[in-house]
Amino acid sequence: SAVISQKPSRDICQRGTSLTIQCQVDSQVTMMFWYRQQPGQSLTLIATANQGSEATYESGFVIDKFPISRPNLTFSTLTVSNMSPEDSSIYLCSVAEQPYEQYFGPGTRLTVT
Amino acid sequence: AQSVSQHNHHVILSEAASLELGCNYSYGGTVNLFWYVQYPGQHLQLLLKYFSGDPLVKGIKGFEAEFIKSKFSFNLRKPSVQWSDTAEYFCAVNPRDRNKLVFGAGTILRVKS
Repeated sequence: SAVISQKPSRDICQRGTSLTIQCQVDSQVTMMFWYRQQPGQSLTLIATANQGSEATYESGFVIDKFPISRPNLTFSTLTVSNMSPEDSSIYLCSVAEQPYEQYFGPGTRLTVT
Repeated sequence: AQSVSQHNHHVILSEAASLELGCNYSYGGTVNLFWYVQYPGQHLQLLLKYFSGDPLVKGIKGFEAEFIKSKFSFNLRKPSVQWSDTAEYFCAVNPRDRNKLVFGAGTILRVKS
């Protein structure tokens, strides 16, 4: 399976600022996804990052709040914009080589104060 | 709405005890099924998967899961747990008409040595 890295691994940010999280994969992958895991809760899909086109967002998530880029088949970024304490979560990148079988990065733990 | 239910949020077992974690899903179409595990301080790892064929699937570290279509269930089992199985376990369902994983809330397993 692909090796996935995320930067930063954790950060503490102030309310109203933005943070960009990077996801790097060691091989080309067809599909990349971004998830959120809020404290004490399960993982929720934010969006599918599409190479060369706009991301596909799930219900409840919007591009203005979570802009996503995917410039190539090995890299994607997720920005959490205008942060509030409710955005404190672990943000995870995942990739799928075969259809449906996803592998996850180590996550970025974000705390908003 | 599609959902995945894991029946127990916390399970405490002694070493050598048998384990069964329940997972039920609500989706009428064809699905792929997964169990993921997150060991303390580590990232989410794929434990086992079911796409088709034999409904009893075997994964890593002695885990197995059984797909019972009539019950919309995919329960995880292990005959004899070890202290090193202490982790959080997530059931996930992928409806085949969507590139999306829907996760259960997770079950935290603590194995007492």
